[in-house]
Amino acid sequence: GAVVSQHPSWVICKSGTSVKIECRSLDFQATTMFWYRQFPKQSLMLMATSNEGSKATYEQGVEKDKFLINHASLTLSTLTVTSAHPEDSSFYICSAARQGNTIYFGEGSWLTVV
Amino acid sequence: DAKTTQPPSMDCAEGRAANLPCNHSTISGNEYVYWYRQIHSQGPQYIIHGLKNNETNEMASLIITEDRKSSTLILPHATLRDTAVYYCIVTDTGTASKLTFGTGTRLQVTL
Repeated sequence: GAVVSQHPSWVICKSGTSVKIECRSLDFQATTMFWYRQFPKQSLMLMATSNEGSKATYEQGVEKDKFLINHASLTLSTLTVTSAHPEDSSFYICSAARQGNTIYFGEGSWLTVV
Repeated sequence: DAKTTQPPSMDCAEGRAANLPCNHSTISGNEYVYWYRQIHSQGPQYIIHGLKNNETNEMASLIITEDRKSSTLILPHATLRDTAVYYCIVTDTGTASKLTFGTGTRLQVTL
């Protein structure tokens, strides 16, 4: 069964609004989670590293004020896309490392901005 | 992290073994080889990983050459549900959670 869960699976929002995506580790604690974005027919691109109890680390070119990451507990990280625009429409995926260095991914969240 | 090279696509007949190659000629001593697959519109699924010894689990086998410069993922009896993009990723244990994805191999399993 799934060890990392995302919610919602898909969301449609209006341009200019904000949307939050949750990533939960099931049955294990994850001090670090990762957020990826994937555009159609492209590979996954790492956006940021989410650290429990501290600020996220963003990859070059990713706007930290637009993609807000909060990792308030050892089992939950959230990604908020602020002032979303159509070009933010994408597949967002999170991952977390379970004990033993095996990294598991969530099911992904489809965001469509209209 | 070491870079990997994979063929962009492969076909395999259902029931046959699928052998997916990966080159990682710049791999360093502390780097593992991980394999994931992504079925359309889903998050990547962990398959297997190894350091230098061959590994086998319920999903697949991983064969790593003695010089560790290449590896092969083997799906022993491919089914239609194995159709996916397969990613070979090399990363060290210190950053094992941070995976950099290449373009992968699109495996098409056919009847």
